[in-house]
Amino acid sequence: NAGVTQTPKFRILKIGQSMTLQCAQDMNHNYMYWYRQDPGMGLKLIYYSVGAGITDKGEVPNGYNVSRSTTEDFPLRLELAAPSQTSVYFCASSYQGSQPQHFGDGTRLSIL
Amino acid sequence: GENVEQHPSTLSVQEGDSAVIKCTYSDSASNYFPWYKQELGKGPQLIIDIRSNVGEKKDQRIAVTLNKTAKHFSLHITETQPEDSAVYFCAATSHGSSNTGKLIFGQGTTLQVKP
Repeated sequence: NAGVTQTPKFRILKIGQSMTLQCAQDMNHNYMYWYRQDPGMGLKLIYYSVGAGITDKGEVPNGYNVSRSTTEDFPLRLELAAPSQTSVYFCASSYQGSQPQHFGDGTRLSIL
Repeated sequence: GENVEQHPSTLSVQEGDSAVIKCTYSDSASNYFPWYKQELGKGPQLIIDIRSNVGEKKDQRIAVTLNKTAKHFSLHITETQPEDSAVYFCAATSHGSSNTGKLIFGQGTTLQVKP
């Protein structure tokens, strides 16, 4: 079982560049989430989606955008990369909101 | 805003000893409390969770207790083994999030089990 797959695993960006972090799940989960994890800190919610076509902001949405055109995919877009967005990004999914979340292995992003 | 405080930030124990990690939360409406284990270079993995209608839950060497009145919950690992070494995170559902699953995470505890 693949579970939650994130690509790429690592990326270095220059300030002002844009990129899309990919997340796909094959568990037919309705709910999907994007978190960022800074060194020595817990995870902070960026955006989430409760189903295809529905997205909403989390704790730290500024500088990011998402879309959810299919149940399986939930890409995260950085439009104008800033050094403050250097972090590890995790995607997660769950069948329903009250169910455990399953995480991918993360994308490590550095912005220089 | 909603907050989850986790202590200690680091914990070192001898193999075979017990380890306890504690979390407090601020939102009295929180009703779901998962614990995650994160190994180096990997994503968090759920190890145990508890809902607000239960005071304690156990799964082999791992147990979680919940005190809703005091708004705190704890992870207990007995007979620790070197492979238990990892970062552990607690989390709680945020206000009004029972249908969205939004979680507030603690800051993490780095557990080291010495052979």
